[in-house]
Amino acid sequence: DTEVTQTPKHLVMGMTNKKSLKCEQHMGHRAMYWYKQKAKKPPELMFVYSYEKLSINESVPSRFSPECPNSSLLNLHLHALQPEDSALYLCASSQANSGEKLFFGSGTQLSVL
Amino acid sequence: AQSVAQPEDQVNVAEGNPLTVKCTYSVSGNPYLFWYVQYPNRGLQFLLKYITGDNLVKGSYGFEAEFNKSQTSFHLKKPSALVSDSALYFCAVRAPGSARQLTFGSGTQLTVLP
Repeated sequence: DTEVTQTPKHLVMGMTNKKSLKCEQHMGHRAMYWYKQKAKKPPELMFVYSYEKLSINESVPSRFSPECPNSSLLNLHLHALQPEDSALYLCASSQANSGEKLFFGSGTQLSVL
Repeated sequence: AQSVAQPEDQVNVAEGNPLTVKCTYSVSGNPYLFWYVQYPNRGLQFLLKYITGDNLVKGSYGFEAEFNKSQTSFHLKKPSALVSDSALYFCAVRAPGSARQLTFGSGTQLTVLP
């Protein structure tokens, strides 16, 4: 299994809603990442977990809250988002926190109304 | 600091012709260089990487890239383009031994015309 699975594929939420994005991999990777991507732009790193511990937070607003329950799962909890947070949210994993050969999921297309 | 530049937002090429997508980088020390491809409504897919060794790196789907240290370039090439190669291509760089993650270029939209 060389896949990173993200759910849901699409999400529409209001600014007062609370929702969660989920990511799962079964490749034994010990580093997992959240990226935000606007259309036709490069992905922007948000968070990195290494061995289930948060190792990098790229000054992301607190309305985004990551969680790594175990080595296979990564969640991104969303609360009180703004319309400018609408984007494709990509999860990725790699063998270790080396940044090499990232495996990406297909993403969650988020629309905040 | 590390950075990567993709000078062309858009590259058009006819099917069957060779294609080149350009990338230049700036990093301290010897770089780790990568190419990723993104099809519509999908995540990025790894194409190839250069860490050390042979300057010509072969990757997935017939793509290759040449590392040129003197020109600080890592251009992506394919001898004969397919319509199915049409996608958004990202070059990325990382300094070895650095805690910094990958830095992506701005992306180049490749369109292969039938």
